Amino acid sequence: QLVLTQSPSASASLGASVKLTCTLSSGHSSYAIAWHQQQPEKGPRYLMKVNSDGSHSKGDGIPDRFSGSSSGAERYLTISSLQSEDEADYYCQTWGTGSRVFGGGTKLTVL
Amino acid sequence: QVQLVESGGDSVKPGGSLRLSCAASGFTFSDYYMSWIRQAPGKGLEWVSYISNSGSTIYNADSVKGRFTISRDNAKNSLYLQMNSLRAEDTAVYYCARDGVPYYYDRSGYYLYWGQGTLVTVSS
Repeated sequence: QLVLTQSPSASASLGASVKLTCTLSSGHSSYAIAWHQQQPEKGPRYLMKVNSDGSHSKGDGIPDRFSGSSSGAERYLTISSLQSEDEADYYCQTWGTGSRVFGGGTKLTVL
Repeated sequence: QVQLVESGGDSVKPGGSLRLSCAASGFTFSDYYMSWIRQAPGKGLEWVSYISNSGSTIYNADSVKGRFTISRDNAKNSLYLQMNSLRAEDTAVYYCARDGVPYYYDRSGYYLYWGQGTLVTVSS
């Protein structure tokens, strides 16, 4: 079964960097994923797609501070030079035949 | 620019029905798979249903099978979700979303564009 696992919360200081992790279930380590950001009281916004080889393609207007990478079954979202507006929920998402799957989301707090 | 605008959200009693709409603009609607995703209050995102560009292929989450029906009208650039036998646990903001690439490109199912959402409340 295709499942994505995320830590429920993360925190980092203003101006620092943070790396969020999304783990694909066993047997699905070759899958690409997408990262979406949801700021408080707003709808989700696409950030980037991350492939199994670590290559990624960002959405229009997404700052260079956001980057993606991969290692095995893990997909990462790294945010550098954290700003207050980065405080949000971050969801990973993937797809298979007949289904679309979301991780449980990580709530990022900027200290 | 791409726009997705949902409408039709309302407050309804358990067992009732509702039809959501999503008006699309700024792209060739008939080239893209479309989806409905929902978010219960204080919870994460949950995929509900998706439909192929032509409407010939449809998949639903187990939680809504037999109760919800996704459809589209490519002539009207519109996506729909017919929701029947509504339950309290269907209470959520419902988003429509467009796939990142057209159907003829590859089968990537990531969501590049999202609507602003419409609230459905199921309560007696």
